[in-house]
Amino acid sequence: NAGVTQTPKFRVLKTGQSMTLLCAQDMNHEYMYWYRQDPGMGLRLIHYSVGEGTTAKGEVPDGYNVSRLKKQNFLLGLESAAPSQTSVYFCASMDQVEQYFGPGTRLTVT
Amino acid sequence: AQSVTQPDIHITVSEGASLELRCNYSYGATPYLFWYVQSPGQGLQLLLKYFSGDTLVQGIKGFEAEFKRSQSSFNLRKPSVHWSDAAEYFCAVARESSNYKLTFGKGTLLTVNP
Repeated sequence: NAGVTQTPKFRVLKTGQSMTLLCAQDMNHEYMYWYRQDPGMGLRLIHYSVGEGTTAKGEVPDGYNVSRLKKQNFLLGLESAAPSQTSVYFCASMDQVEQYFGPGTRLTVT
Repeated sequence: AQSVTQPDIHITVSEGASLELRCNYSYGATPYLFWYVQSPGQGLQLLLKYFSGDTLVQGIKGFEAEFKRSQSSFNLRKPSVHWSDAAEYFCAVARESSNYKLTFGKGTLLTVNP
């Protein structure tokens, strides 16, 4: 039981490049979330999903897209990366109110 | 919209001293309440949570938190701090009506002096 995993762990992008972050969970949870963490800001919700095939916007969704084609996977996409998207990205899945977090992806956009 | 305030950005304590980290939230009804800890370069670890019932909750690593409805607070405490407790601490709230989305405070960085 791996819990919540995130791929990749680190990535450096140039402005304008695109990439996809993968979050996978093997706990059969319905709800999944993407957060970003910036110094002095805590974690802020980007997008979330309440089940396979559903997605919804969070607090800071601009510049990101998501997809939940399979229950166990939640993808976060950056179509045209900007330096303001330099951050640490955390994925989580939820069961009975408690969220289980992945180890994070550190993304730098130059 | 709900919000979470952690008034102390940085706290320094001596090893063996007691600790209290403050957390206040703004929301009419009682939300679900959480404390997380994050060591440098690491992910988030859940320390404890409050859903209902006894207002004093025990967590891991010797931490406890007390929910006070009248003050909309959920302060984290530890009687005797260890050097390994140095980390950043985040308070968070969630509501069923908001699909259990977590709203985090901005965090309190704890430094422990020997």
